[in-house]
Amino acid sequence: ETGVTQTPRHLVMGMTNKKSLKCEQHLGHNAMYWYKQSAKKPLELMFVYSLEERVENNSVPSRFSPECPNSSHLFLHLHTLQPEDSALYLCASSQLAGLGPDTQYFGPGTRLTVL
Amino acid sequence: KNQVEQSPQSLIILEGKNCTLQCNYTVSPFSNLRWYKQDTGRGPVSLTIMTFSENTKSNGRYTATLDADTKQSSLHITASQLSDSASYICVVSARGGSYIPTFGRGTSLIVHP
Repeated sequence: ETGVTQTPRHLVMGMTNKKSLKCEQHLGHNAMYWYKQSAKKPLELMFVYSLEERVENNSVPSRFSPECPNSSHLFLHLHTLQPEDSALYLCASSQLAGLGPDTQYFGPGTRLTVL
Repeated sequence: KNQVEQSPQSLIILEGKNCTLQCNYTVSPFSNLRWYKQDTGRGPVSLTIMTFSENTKSNGRYTATLDADTKQSSLHITASQLSDSASYICVVSARGGSYIPTFGRGTSLIVHP
């Protein structure tokens, strides 16, 4: 058990739906991350939060909207997605963020399918 | 452009055999390199992390090496087990406060009995 949980584990949604992904870390970390993992492609960093402040938005379309209400919770709000957004969405946390060698702990991911 | 290339793309070995996975990178200035193991349907789990001054680091049957001059790293798995079947991902971070690491595509390892 990595100490990072994600819900739901699987999600199927239509292009006009609005849904949210949730991530919670129980490790006392200060940084949280959203990644997208598509088949046959490397992990893509989407957003980084450090001490609840967004410090990186890696050119992600506005149909993805992150929210970090506190250092233990991270959300990814989804609306009007496209079929190419279907992927595994991974949440991670770490003690620091971009300040040196710092191991990220990943959650199990949410498998998203957009119809 | 920062890039991380891993080889082979996939590998099949028999249980008990050793194998070595390769990672070449162009990330600069170099900060650290990590190897992750990702089981099917799960998030990646960190195996090793190495900084510029470290040449080798072990974690049980996993041994990672780093040659910062040639910008190459390898992950050696000794006496493979069926549970080693997974994707192994090389991740390289640059110095300078960037939050964006560069990920390789991973090597898919299958261990057969």
